[in-house]
Amino acid sequence: DQQVKQNSPSLSVQEGRISILNCDYTNSMFDYFLWYKKYPAEGPTFLISISSIKDKNEDGRFTVFLNKSAKHLSLHIVPSQPGDSAVYFCAASANYGQNFVFGPGTRLSVLP
Amino acid sequence: DTEVTQTPKHLVMGMTNKKSLKCEQHMGHRAMYWYKQKAKKPPELMFVYSYEKLSINESVPSRFSPECPNSSLLNLHLHALQPEDSALYLCASSQPSGGARDTQYFGPGTRLTVL
Repeated sequence: DQQVKQNSPSLSVQEGRISILNCDYTNSMFDYFLWYKKYPAEGPTFLISISSIKDKNEDGRFTVFLNKSAKHLSLHIVPSQPGDSAVYFCAASANYGQNFVFGPGTRLSVLP
Repeated sequence: DTEVTQTPKHLVMGMTNKKSLKCEQHMGHRAMYWYKQKAKKPPELMFVYSYEKLSINESVPSRFSPECPNSSLLNLHLHALQPEDSALYLCASSQPSGGARDTQYFGPGTRLTVL
């Protein structure tokens, strides 16, 4: 049973437009969430985090929104750039713990 | 320095071989992790060390044996592996203090092939 879901395996967006990547979770104990970006043959790179006491966190072109009642979070990238093309993983943990559960990932392609 | 290094980058081994994967970080992090990632799947947690002590073992077979000789180093000893163990093995580190400091930083991984 997947505790962290990313229902879109892939997403294509035009350069300069907004990319929205979605993540849903089932475990109501999750209270800390991370987004990672992964290029082929590299380890995941941390992008942005959000804790359950917030509903939004922003860092440059990246904004993460958390809707606790819907158990849903989303990553917005504005404006999208070709270098953003990668697989994006959502990860969640409970009680600010170390055991992070990863979603299956969404492959983002930003077209020039 | 936000780098986690892993050696080797690639490893091919037979089912009777013994080999080790190495991970190193110099960020002062006191938690280190081993993940296994199969193709087109998310990383799956294997082991967590906090302050050089094994704190989480996600029911990993004994043919995988972790070791944390000091706060900067993490090894994964491999023995009698199976072909299905072929995967990308990722190391990560974090500060085990809760909140944003628990963000895990990953190394580039070791691509393991078991013949």
